[in-house]
Amino acid sequence: AQKITQTQPGMFVQEKEAVTLDCTYDTSDPSYGLFWYKQPSSGEMIFLIYQGSYDQQNATEGRYSLNFQKARKSANLVISASQLGDSAMYFCAMIESGAGSYQLTFGKGTKLSVIP
Amino acid sequence: NAGVTQTPKFRVLKTGQSMTLLCAQDMNHEYMYWYRQDPGMGLRLIHYSVGEGTTAKGEVPDGYNVSRLKKQNFLLGLESAAPSQTSVYFCATAPPGQLNEKLFFGSGTQLSVL
Repeated sequence: AQKITQTQPGMFVQEKEAVTLDCTYDTSDPSYGLFWYKQPSSGEMIFLIYQGSYDQQNATEGRYSLNFQKARKSANLVISASQLGDSAMYFCAMIESGAGSYQLTFGKGTKLSVIP
Repeated sequence: NAGVTQTPKFRVLKTGQSMTLLCAQDMNHEYMYWYRQDPGMGLRLIHYSVGEGTTAKGEVPDGYNVSRLKKQNFLLGLESAAPSQTSVYFCATAPPGQLNEKLFFGSGTQLSVL
């Protein structure tokens, strides 16, 4: 079974609108962390946001917020006021404390295109 | 600071040839990783190391070998390249400890095996 599922291969959003990128995860470990990374066409991997399984509040970083619904095992990324520079691949990833060696498992990604 | 440096950035191999990818970091991180990225597959872990002299298999280790003789370097070897190993390879590093430690990535190596 996949540990990280991103069901949206591609998404379009109008500039200045908000967009939600979906991520569901599968783990039996009570202690885990969830990450979102951005990969623009240049290829670099850019860290966006982190949510810990014990964090009481949803993580926010500027225009990025993580809608963490623990019971549903979902960790959706919300980008507010989309900009043309947000066009990129977005990857959700998970680290489980039981993994021991800090292995990050990635989803297959969502390609976001921002339309002017 | 260079951070995480991968060499080479591009390489074309013929089937059966061998090569080594080098990942060098100047951040004194204990953990180092090799991932491969294929279209529609995300990033998949090949091998990783939790410290100098240690290596371990990840999700897709077949056809690859690694070595971590020095803390700052992590080498990925292909002994007999196959077309299925055409991919973008990323090295990443992280300090040990907390779950919230993000990975630091190199810029990637585009490898084509003909």
